[in-house]
Parts: sequence; structure tokens; C-alpha cells
Amino acid sequence: LAKTTQPISMDSYEGQEVNITCSHNNIATNDYITWYQQFPSQGPRFIIQGYKTKVTNEVASLFIPADRKSSTLSLPRVSLSDTAVYYCLVGDVADSSYKLIFGSGTRLLVRP
Amino acid sequence: DVKVTQSSRYLVKRTGEKVFLECVQDMDHENMFWYRQDPGLGLRLIYFSYDVKMKEKGDIPEGYSVSREKKERFSLILESASTNQTSMYLCASSPRGEPPYGYTFGSGTRLTVV
Repeated sequence: LAKTTQPISMDSYEGQEVNITCSHNNIATNDYITWYQQFPSQGPRFIIQGYKTKVTNEVASLFIPADRKSSTLSLPRVSLSDTAVYYCLVGDVADSSYKLIFGSGTRLLVRP
Repeated sequence: DVKVTQSSRYLVKRTGEKVFLECVQDMDHENMFWYRQDPGLGLRLIYFSYDVKMKEKGDIPEGYSVSREKKERFSLILESASTNQTSMYLCASSPRGEPPYGYTFGSGTRLTVV
């Protein structure tokens, strides 16, 4: 499984765009990139998943450059409720033995 | 809405007790997982299952066992609870198939062993 590296923490203010970058230098051809969000005392929640270029949903955008060795989760106009830990994971989701291995994540604090 | 339900939100058990943590999903997912989460250590995989009656060890299986007799239910068993098993336990499920998809987690069971 590809190892990921993320910043330990980030600070932002309400209304700003937040970009969290994840490094995954050893990503394999069949690997997808998945981001999860976790609030205190809750299980992680799936945010977005992508393979290349750009993916957008109602919550976030995911930017993946051509070499796929990194990815950036973009949260537009964050609010206080976006304060959480964000995890980047990489793996071959079509592999029958696929399982999520979580790193330390990025603790995002959104200030008023 | 899809759901993973963990039977208890909070549990307090005594050292040496046999503890059962139950997890049920209503999404007909093939894969189910048990994690524990501790401050500073993140989420660590205990056991997982890709099908009924199948089980595989994760990164920290010692002191735990699991049971999957039905597709929708995955039980974590602490054979003889110890204080170092005090933790937040999270169950998750996922479908087997083409992306995009993700895991669905339960709300967690906070277990305290005294």
C-alpha cells in the first residue's frame, strides 16, 4: 500500500478556501485516492475519491496532477463545521483484498 | 440512507470479562472491518472480513477475535478484556466492486475496561 504524507494541522478562517495536499510518491497504477473527514467521537466519513485530473462533488474538489504523486483536497468557503481531521488514503479499490490504512491525517481548525 | 450500526455507544467492562461488540450494516456490503482509534495512534485495523465466515487479521489482532455468521453482521470479541483495550472501536463496511465508493463507518463504541 502506498504511504501518504499530509500536514499535521492547518488553520483557516470562515469563508476561505482550504487546500490540503497529500503526497503519495509510491502510488501504483491501479490505486485510487480517497479522502475521509472525521469529527470528534464519530467514525470517518467518505468525502471524495478520484483517479486522475479533477473530481468535484457537492462537498469538495480533488485535484490530481498527471504524475499522480500528490493530490489536493479543496474545500470551498469553509465554515466552523468543517473543523475536523481529514485523511488521505491510497489503494487499489478494485482489489478484493483492499483495506483502508489510515495515516495521522490533517487536523483542520476553522476560526470565526 | 446507508447505515452501519454499532450496538453500544459506550461500554464499561471489568478486566477479564469477555466482551462482544456488535456491528450491523444494511447495505448488503461484502466487506466489513473493525478498527480501534487511540489518541496519537490514529485508526488501526484489528480484523476484517470479505465474506461470510471469512476473517483476516489486520495490524493489531492480538487479544481479539471476530465472527461473521451472516453477511450483515460482524462481531468483535475481546476474549479477556484488559485495561489496554480501553479505546474507541469503529466498525466499517464497503462494497466489492468498481469505484467510486467508500467505506461507511459506524458511530463507534467507546469501551472502558476497569
